[in-house]
Amino acid sequence: AQSVAQPEDQVNVAEGNPLTVKCTYSVSGNPYLFWYVQYPNRGLQFLLKYITGDNLVKGSYGFEAEFNKSQTSFHLKKPSALVSDSALYFCAVRASTGANNLFFGTGTRLTVIP
Amino acid sequence: GAGVSQTPSNKVTEKGKYVELRCDPISGHTALYWYRQSLGQGPEFLIYFQGTGAADDSGLPNDRFFAVRPEGSVSTLKIQRTERGDSAVYLCASSFQEYNEQFFGPGTRLTVL
Repeated sequence: AQSVAQPEDQVNVAEGNPLTVKCTYSVSGNPYLFWYVQYPNRGLQFLLKYITGDNLVKGSYGFEAEFNKSQTSFHLKKPSALVSDSALYFCAVRASTGANNLFFGTGTRLTVIP
Repeated sequence: GAGVSQTPSNKVTEKGKYVELRCDPISGHTALYWYRQSLGQGPEFLIYFQGTGAADDSGLPNDRFFAVRPEGSVSTLKIQRTERGDSAVYLCASSFQEYNEQFFGPGTRLTVL
């Protein structure tokens, strides 16, 4: 069975500082991993994905994530946070074979403090 | 280009009533998904269509829930005899192929009184 854990409900970071939003996963076989962002009263927006290849994945708005197979992690990072990055972030996983639906974590609310 | 659209954006109904929620996927996307998001939770899978057929409906909570996609494009999620516990945001997503990233619509907020 697939599952995702986002251990932090809330992350606060000062504007200009680096940010990390943590995600660990459990899946049978090879994982496909995704990060989505949700702004108030809006749908989920795709940020980046890991399917195969380079463990460091770059995505939209300067975000990146590193796939670590031994730690079953896929943490989201950004070198310099902006106030406009404040939102709800979801990590999701699916297995490379079998079911196509995504399994989501419970989300992490990022607040960037000016 | 146009993204995934969902109508209505909000739906308020009474317990026991029937509701239909509509999803228009991105043109050319063959895969379509329905998820349900409750307050403070991540989206939970309901059903997946590949073309016209429901390839996986294992997430539907019970037989009051049903979805169709008769022409392989627009999909309708149907809920019979609504219950207060059905209140949530219903999200639709589509992808070009089953292994590509999914693009989500803005959701329909369903409130059952």
